[in-house]
Amino acid sequence: DTGVSQDPRHKITKRGQNVTFRCDPISEHNRLYWYRQTLGQGPEFLTYFQNEAQLEKSRLLSDRFSAERPKGSFSTLEIQRTEQGDSAMYLCASSPSADTQYFGPGTRLTVL
Amino acid sequence: QKEVEQDPGPLSVPEGAIVSLNCTYSNSAFQYFMWYRQYSRKGPELLMYTYSSGNKEDGRFTAQVDKSSKYISLFIRDSQPSDSATYLCALSSGGSYIPTFGRGTSLIVHP
Repeated sequence: DTGVSQDPRHKITKRGQNVTFRCDPISEHNRLYWYRQTLGQGPEFLTYFQNEAQLEKSRLLSDRFSAERPKGSFSTLEIQRTEQGDSAMYLCASSPSADTQYFGPGTRLTVL
Repeated sequence: QKEVEQDPGPLSVPEGAIVSLNCTYSNSAFQYFMWYRQYSRKGPELLMYTYSSGNKEDGRFTAQVDKSSKYISLFIRDSQPSDSATYLCALSSGGSYIPTFGRGTSLIVHP
């Protein structure tokens, strides 16, 4: 499968714990995006990388959230001290160009 | 007012119907227009994209953009039960090409 992959697919955690998600983009894509999606809403942009450089972050991305793409390939999104409001689907997308993005299956986070 | 407005539905149609899904937007800087299909508990799947006014056709799908009215549409011909999903419009203005998504319209095609 040469699509975008995300791991884990589901994560259940207790409030206050830290969680980390991984995204493996399509190999030749230099752009990588993270989004958050809640029920009944479209994806909301969190952050964007071009190669290893994090070029933009949303105001939604509080200081509890951090993302990395150390070698310009896979990326990780970490949430520290999780809160119940962090429960959502976290989506990763990669892109070869300006006008198209290809999404992974998402990681569903439940914070108890 | 949100930058991108999309009726959440649900829109229920019989199999074989022509479906019209729509989004309106307020930011005239949007240049790229995309439609995604999202099945329940899955990631969005890119269906079509365009960057000009007018129509673009791909099989049973037609994307239409009217920049003067700030209105975009996706038409599905000969709809099938397998088309039942949420359809998201996404618009971007270039630069970092970070799209703004609508909230999605839930489509149900019943046999």
